[in-house]
Amino acid sequence: AQTVTQSQPEMSVQEAETVTLSCTYDTSESDYYLFWYKQPPSRQMILVIRQEAYKQQNATENRFSVNFQKAAKSFSLKISDSQLGDAAMYFCVITQGGSEKLVFGKGTKLTVNP
Amino acid sequence: DTGVSQDPRHKITKRGQNVTFRCDPISEHNRLYWYRQTLGQGPEFLTYFQNEAQLEKSRLLSDRFSAERPKGSFSTLEIQRTEQGDSAMYLCASGGGWRNTIYFGEGSWLTVV
Repeated sequence: AQTVTQSQPEMSVQEAETVTLSCTYDTSESDYYLFWYKQPPSRQMILVIRQEAYKQQNATENRFSVNFQKAAKSFSLKISDSQLGDAAMYFCVITQGGSEKLVFGKGTKLTVNP
Repeated sequence: DTGVSQDPRHKITKRGQNVTFRCDPISEHNRLYWYRQTLGQGPEFLTYFQNEAQLEKSRLLSDRFSAERPKGSFSTLEIQRTEQGDSAMYLCASGGGWRNTIYFGEGSWLTVV
């Protein structure tokens, strides 16, 4: 079975600063996808960024970027120039099997301080 | 709005009653997922459809839970004889397209009293 571990239950960052959220995973699959999803207090899960395991280049979406280390099975999320709207629960997620079912970590609650 | 929609958004029911949730996925998506999320936890997979076929169901899902997706469009999740432990948010998600990204609805909150 695939597992995802987020070792930081809570993190905080000052507005405009940079923060990195950690994630490690375990899988026996050779082809998989990794995601970071964000869940604000309104509760709707929003896709932040996606990484295909076969791609060596780290994904980037505006202020969000990942550091994907396949051998180490590590997938961290960096948020640059943090904004108040970034405050949310962040989930590291991996696909599982041919159905591309998502397996979630327990989440990291990010607080952005003004 | 062309996103995933769920109804009702909130449901309070008495223990032992049946409840049904509906999910309308993004129209071109052939994959549909149901997840359950309790406070402070990540979503837990319940079941998955590709078109109208239910391809996978969590071993954790009791027989009181059933899901359908007639004609491969909307889906329903029914919980029979609800128990207090069923109180959670039930999330629907759909996926498809060339990148097969999965998008979530806003969820349906269930409180069993």
